[in-house]
Amino acid sequence: DGGITQSPKYLFRKEGQNVTLSCEQNLNHDAMYWYRQDPGQGLRLIYYSQIVNDFQKGDIAEGYSVSREKKESFPLTVTSAQKNPTAFYLCASHRMGGMNTEAFFGQGTRLTVV
Amino acid sequence: AQKITQTQPGMFVQEKEAVTLDCTYDTSDPSYGLFWYKQPSSGEMIFLIYQGSYDQQNATEGRYSLNFQKARKSANLVISASQLGDSAMYFCAMRISGSARQLTFGSGTQLTVLP
Repeated sequence: DGGITQSPKYLFRKEGQNVTLSCEQNLNHDAMYWYRQDPGQGLRLIYYSQIVNDFQKGDIAEGYSVSREKKESFPLTVTSAQKNPTAFYLCASHRMGGMNTEAFFGQGTRLTVV
Repeated sequence: AQKITQTQPGMFVQEKEAVTLDCTYDTSDPSYGLFWYKQPSSGEMIFLIYQGSYDQQNATEGRYSLNFQKARKSANLVISASQLGDSAMYFCAMRISGSARQLTFGSGTQLTVLP
């Protein structure tokens, strides 16, 4: 079945650690996104990529980094510079197309700082 | 910059009744698309319905319909004949032309369907 797989589902980070969240899709989509979700704030865009080896900052990129070495993979690293990383992280993708192109989402990773 | 506003943090509806979830938007771009997504407690986002800014008719998908009032910049979701499985968080989102096709989301409405 085609879809987006995020792993792990739950992740715990110690202060000062970098952690990497995985996002893999087998939908052959060009565009991939990372969103952060905090309670009561909806989803906010961290980074996005429309093509391999290219990515752009979203609204809240500070303290995060990404790579896009393969079309199907878009990992997100939460660095120690991110002061408040506890949140729910969602990865999304869609094919390049018109305005009505539906975005597909993964199941999310819940990151907690301990 | 575009903005989505959902003013109802929580809503309750009796099973089998209809419910309207409010969404207003703000953009100066004449070409845009509006989406509604459902997020159950498991966390995944499920696409429900889409409305384009140039669409002449309101979108419908099964029990979901979108009450699109362009002059008022509102795109309310109507769920008819509510079911217990409709209990979830609902997000309104917008995409504008010329952007990288990312979605801008509202803060969401938590819908609870009562038996």
